[in-house]
Amino acid sequence: IAGITQAPTSQILAAGRRMTLRCTQDMRHNAMYWYRQDLGLGLRLIHYSNTAGTTGKGEVPDGYSVSRANTDDFPLTLASAVPSQTSVYFCASSEVAASNEQFFGPGTRLTVL
Amino acid sequence: GQQLNQSPQSMFIQEGEDVSMNCTSSSIFNTWLWYKQDPGEGPVLLIALYKAGELTSNGRLTAQFGITRKDSFLNISASIPSDVGIYFCAGQLGTGNQFYFGTGTSLTVIP
Repeated sequence: IAGITQAPTSQILAAGRRMTLRCTQDMRHNAMYWYRQDLGLGLRLIHYSNTAGTTGKGEVPDGYSVSRANTDDFPLTLASAVPSQTSVYFCASSEVAASNEQFFGPGTRLTVL
Repeated sequence: GQQLNQSPQSMFIQEGEDVSMNCTSSSIFNTWLWYKQDPGEGPVLLIALYKAGELTSNGRLTAQFGITRKDSFLNISASIPSDVGIYFCAGQLGTGNQFYFGTGTSLTVIP
């Protein structure tokens, strides 16, 4: 059982380019989340999805979009990347929405130049 | 967004020593969580607290939900090298999806 996988592991991206970070879970969890982790700021919630077909905005949603076409996948898209989006991105999932039992993926390190 | 102040920012301790770290907020939280993050990996949940005053243990780890509901503490007894990592607190204001994370305490254990 893989749990949560994220791809790519790391990426260097030119500003203005479009980028999709992938997240897949095999635990059949209903809820999924995207966080960004920056030095001195901890983890901040970008978007979440309580169940397939629904999404919601977190604390820092601007510049990001998500979709939840099925239970397993929750891609995060940066339509036009900017340097301030340089960060480590973590995907997480939980069996039910708003559960404290969130399982995190290994992260994607994104650098926008 | 909510600001969780976590202290200390970093700790260097000798193997076998006990460790204490805390997290404070200006808001009242309904749930407090403590996570550990190893280098290159995502955070892993250590302890969850649901009631003011609650004291919960997980092996050598003990965490407490502050009486004011604005703080929480994590203690690690008899530290070992594998305790090395970054420890994060997180709080949940209501019952929604928003968890607010602290800035982390980096722990180094010297053998």
